[in-house]
Amino acid sequence: RKEVEQDPGPFNVPEGATVAFNCTYSNSASQSFFWYRQDCRKEPKLLMSVYSSGNEDGRFTAQLNRASQYISLLIRDSKLSDSATYLCVVVNAGNNRKLIWGLGTSLAVNP
Amino acid sequence: DVKVTQSSRYLVKRTGEKVFLECVQDMDHENMFWYRQDPGLGLRLIYFSYDVKMKEKGDIPEGYSVSREKKERFSLILESASTNQTSMYLCASSLGTAYYGYTFGSGTRLTVV
Repeated sequence: RKEVEQDPGPFNVPEGATVAFNCTYSNSASQSFFWYRQDCRKEPKLLMSVYSSGNEDGRFTAQLNRASQYISLLIRDSKLSDSATYLCVVVNAGNNRKLIWGLGTSLAVNP
Repeated sequence: DVKVTQSSRYLVKRTGEKVFLECVQDMDHENMFWYRQDPGLGLRLIYFSYDVKMKEKGDIPEGYSVSREKKERFSLILESASTNQTSMYLCASSLGTAYYGYTFGSGTRLTVV
């Protein structure tokens, strides 16, 4: 089993839709979690951290479920500019400089 | 904003050449990283460095070396380029721990022919 797993998609949604991605992780001792966004042929950029209590940034909401070992990203009112690959990142205890990357979930928002 | 600059956006090199990829960051970050990204394999860590003159192997260090003589600069060296090193190379830096997230450079797409 991979340490971090994501559904590769692609998720095709119309503008204005709500879409959610999950990311599962295998190490129950994982400490911290992030979502990155990567546009085609560009570098990954930090989208948001994921806190135990959940956190929201505008149209984006991130949640952590430690019992089931997954994190989620919810995007409300999707925009064309949200089209990208969303990468899930996990940091394991004891090695907080080394990130474990998912392969990403591709999102296409259509007019 | 932190800026991470990679010296080349595209490079084409011949098999057997020694290749240098340069990365400079301007925000006094302690940690610097080199990744390669390939379709279906995602981001894989090659080497990283916590401080000047310090380096540690990542998951796929074979065929690569690194140099960090100054805090702001982290160089990746392909000792003898091979076609299986054709990839997108991404440099990143971070402050302190990974809790703050990484800032990436725009990447170097290397083709070895």
